[in-house]
Amino acid sequence: DVKVTQSSRYLVKRTGEKVFLECVQDMDHENMFWYRQDPGLGLRLIYFSYDVKMKEKGDIPEGYSVSREKKERFSLILESASTNQTSMYLCASRIGVGIWYGYTFGSGTRLTVV
Amino acid sequence: AQSVTQPDIHITVSEGASLELRCNYSYGATPYLFWYVQSPGQGLQLLLKYFSGDTLVQGIKGFEAEFKRSQSSFNLRKPSVHWSDAAEYFCAGYNNNDMRFGAGTRLTVKP
Repeated sequence: DVKVTQSSRYLVKRTGEKVFLECVQDMDHENMFWYRQDPGLGLRLIYFSYDVKMKEKGDIPEGYSVSREKKERFSLILESASTNQTSMYLCASRIGVGIWYGYTFGSGTRLTVV
Repeated sequence: AQSVTQPDIHITVSEGASLELRCNYSYGATPYLFWYVQSPGQGLQLLLKYFSGDTLVQGIKGFEAEFKRSQSSFNLRKPSVHWSDAAEYFCAGYNNNDMRFGAGTRLTVKP
């Protein structure tokens, strides 16, 4: 069964800390995405990547950066965590330019910044 | 701007009752349309999708959705809800390499 794995289900970090959220997919997908999910706002795209070492800003990139050094791994980085970044973070992947299978999502990381 | 709207934030239905979750889209051209379900503490799972052709599409877990171009809608239905259907449901539209999600509808199922 194909999988997108997010390394942490729950994280608690302090304000100002540098935070890494990791996502790994085993489907050899070219495209990977980071979303933020907040009640009443649905999913908002933070960053995405079409291939290794490539990245594009989504709708809400401020305060975030990403890294994609290997095809299977896409990391979201909070350079200096703030309380307004407390949220559920979802990673997703998609094969090439095809959308037939939609996006495959990980189980999410619930981040609390205190 | 492209957008997907789910008018209902929260819906409660009794177990065994029928269900309809609403979704409207606003796009220049007809997008590809999806419904996802998110169980508590989980990621999103694809229920069904519409690309073209038959406007009534069948999905997993007994769900179906109907595409209505005239109403810019893609409503999700199930004839008889089970307690395990309690979850959050997201409608999404895809066009020109851009996927947009609605804000979600939370479904509560009463015994």
